[in-house]
Amino acid sequence: DARVTQTPRHKVTEMGQEVTMRCQPILGHNTVFWYRQTMMQGLELLAYFRNRAPLDDSGMPKDRFSAEMPDATLATLKIQPSEPRDSAVYFCASGFLISGTGNNQPQHFGDGTRLSIL
Amino acid sequence: AQKITQTQPGMFVQEKEAVTLDCTYDTSDPSYGLFWYKQPSSGEMIFLIYQGSYDQQNATEGRYSLNFQKARKSANLVISASQLGDSAMYFCAMRGTNFGNEKLTFGTGTRLTIIP
Repeated sequence: DARVTQTPRHKVTEMGQEVTMRCQPILGHNTVFWYRQTMMQGLELLAYFRNRAPLDDSGMPKDRFSAEMPDATLATLKIQPSEPRDSAVYFCASGFLISGTGNNQPQHFGDGTRLSIL
Repeated sequence: AQKITQTQPGMFVQEKEAVTLDCTYDTSDPSYGLFWYKQPSSGEMIFLIYQGSYDQQNATEGRYSLNFQKARKSANLVISASQLGDSAMYFCAMRGTNFGNEKLTFGTGTRLTIIP
């Protein structure tokens, strides 16, 4: 079965360091999402892309977070500088979505990156 | 804005019994999709079942079925003949269908524990 691949699975680093998380979406999927999961906030959207173009990044702290899709096979989420409050599990998800229809395609999630900022 | 409410933080169910996980939603969108995901202790998010707002019939996928009551804005997940491997967190989620409004909005989840 095709899977969304995220690297690294775990990351521990000190505050102030740059963190880069990578995602390889499922081949053929046109939409990529970044979610963050914390105990306090639950699952929340950070950003999402359609055909590599950003559509919504309103959930992302703009001063330190950035999300890009350099090509169709790679999405990146960067935090610079990182802070302890960024500690969370970061999920990438992909899907083939057609706007304005009853498209029933689910978003398929990667296994997540568990990030700890000391 | 979309909102998902899951009122059961935790449930304990005897193995082989059926279980219903509650989910209510709120949205002003005329068209939307409802999803259930399972998150085992290992952390991955596993898609279980989907229901479209215009679907006439309730969705079913193996032992999972979705009890969709549009007028009541509820989308409860029913798991028949529960198994030990069903122990996990379960999230109800909603998605809009308009361009730029396709993120999943999640509920707070229900932790299901199956008792042998």
